Amino acid sequence: GDSVTQMEGPVTLSEEAFLTINCTYTATGYPSLFWYVQYPGEGLQLLLKATKADDKGSNKGFEATYRKETTSFHLEKGSVQVSDSAVYFCAPRGANFGNEKLTFGTGTRLTIIP
Amino acid sequence: NAGVTQTPKFRVLKTGQSMTLLCAQDMNHEYMYWYRQDPGMGLRLIHYSVGEGTTAKGEVPDGYNVSRLKKQNFLLGLESAAPSQTSVYFCASTQSGSFYGYTFGSGTRLTVV
Repeated sequence: GDSVTQMEGPVTLSEEAFLTINCTYTATGYPSLFWYVQYPGEGLQLLLKATKADDKGSNKGFEATYRKETTSFHLEKGSVQVSDSAVYFCAPRGANFGNEKLTFGTGTRLTIIP
Repeated sequence: NAGVTQTPKFRVLKTGQSMTLLCAQDMNHEYMYWYRQDPGMGLRLIHYSVGEGTTAKGEVPDGYNVSRLKKQNFLLGLESAAPSQTSVYFCASTQSGSFYGYTFGSGTRLTVV
């Protein structure tokens, strides 16, 4: 089945630092790839996605590129803000039968200090 | 556009009591899910449904039952609550097709004492 390996947290950065959260996946077929964000006390929200190789998803200054050759979808942001403090989840969704179940990693907790 | 609505938002139960959590979506999504989230455990799938009248077990189904009598609603039941079921429960929905993401509710915080 599908699986995902995410960078272990927690991650603590200073404001305006560069952020990378690593994500690698295994999935059957040709999956779509997603990053979700969970702010304190809230549910998960879709942050960005990419549906084919070399696609770059972007939103709120975050970016991630679908790298099929390395099965990776690393999340990056050039200058983080305190408001980016949250838990981030990487998730592949397979293209074959069985794609009804999205596989989540354990999440990476990010804390940005002023 | 409400998206996914979960009720209640908070609940305290005594061991052995029963309750039902309601999830409602207004996006005409085929697929619906119940997850639980515990510290350090990420999201774990309890049950899911790929259409009205269908349900299937996820990775942690024991102690829970579900029903999907209407397309827009997905109910999660605890017949005899246990302290191990203290958790935050999230409902989610999506369309068929791998390029669609999930829409989540805001969660139900359940404490079993």
